[in-house]
Amino acid sequence: QKEVEQDPGPLSVPEGAIVSLNCTYSNSAFQYFMWYRQYSRKGPELLMYTYSSGNKEDGRFTAQVDKSSKYISLFIRDSQPSDSATYLCAMLAGNQFYFGTGTSLTVIP
Amino acid sequence: ETGVTQTPRHLVMGMTNKKSLKCEQHLGHNAMYWYKQSAKKPLELMFVYNFKEQTENNSVPSRFSPECPNSSHLFLHLHTLQPEDSALYLCASSQAQDRPSYEQYFGPGTRLTVT
Repeated sequence: QKEVEQDPGPLSVPEGAIVSLNCTYSNSAFQYFMWYRQYSRKGPELLMYTYSSGNKEDGRFTAQVDKSSKYISLFIRDSQPSDSATYLCAMLAGNQFYFGTGTSLTVIP
Repeated sequence: ETGVTQTPRHLVMGMTNKKSLKCEQHLGHNAMYWYKQSAKKPLELMFVYNFKEQTENNSVPSRFSPECPNSSHLFLHLHTLQPEDSALYLCASSQAQDRPSYEQYFGPGTRLTVT
């Protein structure tokens, strides 16, 4: 079983839609949960991080962690064409850093 | 230059060649990382350096040899690579901690093709 599972997509939505990106994990020791955005030909950039369970909001982005279900989500409201990218979830426990495979998102104008 | 830079951006090498990837960070960080990103696979952490000292080596084959001469520069020396080593190699930096930081800043990567 993989440590982190992420649907690779691709996901295609119209501009203005609400996007939901998800990851599941198996290691209950994970404490930090991150979302990175990676544009084509660029390195990943940290979008949001959450420590333990709960929600965190930053503008149009909301990160949600449910440790009881081992499930994390990233919601994008009012999606824009500039949100088109690959979104990577990542989790940290001690010295171990695990990434999902990434979900490719295209927002169509 | 700002942020994290990597050179070269693209590299094609034969299996018997020796080459090096370079990473430089201009953020005043003192931890640096090498990652491998292959298609449809998760990002794999290869090496971690804190204050120029290697603190993590995630079972990476010896044909990959890292070097960190100072907190701003990181190299990945490559020799006798295999075709399956073809991937995007990403460098990242962060403030040093006693464990890898969640707040890492990535470079644009070097696209490596082994023929």
